[in-house]
Amino acid sequence: QQPVQSPQAVILREGEDAVINCSSSKALYSVHWYRQKHGEAPVFLMILLKGGEQKGHEKISASFNEKKQQSSLYLTASQLSYSGTYFCGTDNTGTASKLTFGTGTRLQVTL
Amino acid sequence: DVKVTQSSRYLVKRTGEKVFLECVQDMDHENMFWYRQDPGLGLRLIYFSYDVKMKEKGDIPEGYSVSREKKERFSLILESASTNQTSMYLCASSPGGRPYEKLFFGSGTQLSVL
Repeated sequence: QQPVQSPQAVILREGEDAVINCSSSKALYSVHWYRQKHGEAPVFLMILLKGGEQKGHEKISASFNEKKQQSSLYLTASQLSYSGTYFCGTDNTGTASKLTFGTGTRLQVTL
Repeated sequence: DVKVTQSSRYLVKRTGEKVFLECVQDMDHENMFWYRQDPGLGLRLIYFSYDVKMKEKGDIPEGYSVSREKKERFSLILESASTNQTSMYLCASSPGGRPYEKLFFGSGTQLSVL
């Protein structure tokens, strides 16, 4: 079963912050975040492992609450280059060989 | 940088045709994957392979098969294409051997079945 992402879409002005949530109905070993720009391949952002570890990538960070089976992606001081669709991929097996991706969150950053 | 190359960016086929989608990676990765991407449905795993001649079903394998005769190449086969297989198909690879690895995606093949 696919994880649920929210919101489905968000429009920001440059410099604003956003949070994208990813929620699973199953126990998670890890959560993986990817960004896909229009017409391009998805690109890896970060992996979060069990333990509530928070990782960062540029001004993008994320958290993982394994008890709640949720992860959140935080985009601070957004830039035009952050526009794209963000996908979370959840790992229910501990091997990450079979990620289940959410339906995506479309983010648009405007001037 | 890892390069995952999909043979066609756009493909148009007729219903009932046998369709081959090819994917090649150049970094000696063990794992290779095929996903399809549809609006509102995100990325869904069709098949994956963790070694030559090995394959495992993903979440939506019906209507598809795969072939991995060489480590660098992973083919997706639509035995008899149908209109509901019109989609963007993404190939990905990962190094293998470690529990948490990132995927490297190709740019995708937009398949239209008429």
